[in-house]
Amino acid sequence: AQRVTQPEKLLSVFKGAPVELKCNYSYSGSPELFWYVQYSRQRLQLLLRHISRESIKGFTADLNKGETSFHLKKPFAQEEDSAMYYCALTGEWVRFGAGTRLTVKP
Amino acid sequence: DTAVSQTPKYLVTQMGNDKSIKCEQNLGHDTMYWYKQDSKKFLKIMFSYNNKELIINETVPNRFSPKSPDKAHLNLHINSLELGDSAVYFCASSQDLSVSYEQYFGPGTRLTVT
Repeated sequence: AQRVTQPEKLLSVFKGAPVELKCNYSYSGSPELFWYVQYSRQRLQLLLRHISRESIKGFTADLNKGETSFHLKKPFAQEEDSAMYYCALTGEWVRFGAGTRLTVKP
Repeated sequence: DTAVSQTPKYLVTQMGNDKSIKCEQNLGHDTMYWYKQDSKKFLKIMFSYNNKELIINETVPNRFSPKSPDKAHLNLHINSLELGDSAVYFCASSQDLSVSYEQYFGPGTRLTVT
């Protein structure tokens, strides 16, 4: 079975604080993992993917196969990071997590 | 230029009606998708087409029928609309079926069934 779990529906932090959005997955094969973001009144767009191992807008995510996790992290959150974040697993099909709404307070 | 476009952006209709949502991509992609985002923001794939052929058909009522006249278009037709169909529907495309390719999303169509 292919499953993506984002345990937090809502996450609120203050500006400048570190933020971590959790994502756990289950998949028997080799997964491809992505983080998508949807800012207010904008379309869903790719934030980053694990194969490129890049940092986008200060966010990073490391695939931990032992813990089957792909948590999204940023050391210093900004107000403009407030958005809906979706973790996605592409194995046999693409599966999205339920999403986490991040609010960064001033 | 808009990469993936959907029309209409908002659709309000009554139960029992039949409606269509159109999607077009100008990226030259081979694969297109329809997703449903429910009131809890859960995003679930409904259909996937690759080169006009149906690839994925998740457990979606057969009142939903996708139509792909060419690989740049994937329209969603819904018959006998029900209250539970109210949601935001997103169209997306990717270069092909390879799992490594990013998906590009349309702006969404907010369907409200009254």
